[in-house]
Amino acid sequence: GAGVSQTPSNKVTEKGKYVELRCDPISGHTALYWYRQSLGQGPEFLIYFQGTGAADDSGLPNDRFFAVRPEGSVSTLKIQRTERGDSAVYLCASSLNSLNEQFFGPGTRLTVL
Amino acid sequence: KNEVEQSPQNLTAQEGEFITINCSYSVGISALHWLQQHPGGGIVSLFMLSSGKKKHGRLIATINIQEKHSSLHITASHPRDSAVYICAVRWYNDMRFGAGTRLTVKP
Repeated sequence: GAGVSQTPSNKVTEKGKYVELRCDPISGHTALYWYRQSLGQGPEFLIYFQGTGAADDSGLPNDRFFAVRPEGSVSTLKIQRTERGDSAVYLCASSLNSLNEQFFGPGTRLTVL
Repeated sequence: KNEVEQSPQNLTAQEGEFITINCSYSVGISALHWLQQHPGGGIVSLFMLSSGKKKHGRLIATINIQEKHSSLHITASHPRDSAVYICAVRWYNDMRFGAGTRLTVKP
């Protein structure tokens, strides 16, 4: 079956622009996670959805970052007024529920020039 | 201080060698994950464990809850095992990740 997919795979933008990153989780997975991975480092938690609601958004670095999951499946991570420091690989993962193994998407590499 | 510490950061081995990667954590956890990340970024979950030991093929993962320590072992290592291995602990609703161990297995 299909795994977690993320689009786009690469995104290059200019400082100050707005970007949206999309995650399609595995069908039926209620839990969805966003992570950010900077070069040479392990992933860093951003936000966790259980169904449509953000159960834990404590990892979002500031109010320029926002994520939604309106129908409990696809999620969009939105970054306003991008900064060069936002450049990273943004990873999405989903799991059947919060207690189960997470399956990771291939990531979106964001480069802010 | 990072909640999850891995060692070593980098590891080079010859094909066939037995590999051990260590993970120590400082928070209470409900589960620990070992992940494999190949060049290009794709992450694959190898193990999720909360106690004892799990084995899958040439891979073995152990965890000692009292000592807050886990190890990942690779027996008869092969060049295709070359990747970054990441330890992650489930902490409340999210996961906290180690920085990863970059393994290179030379033929």
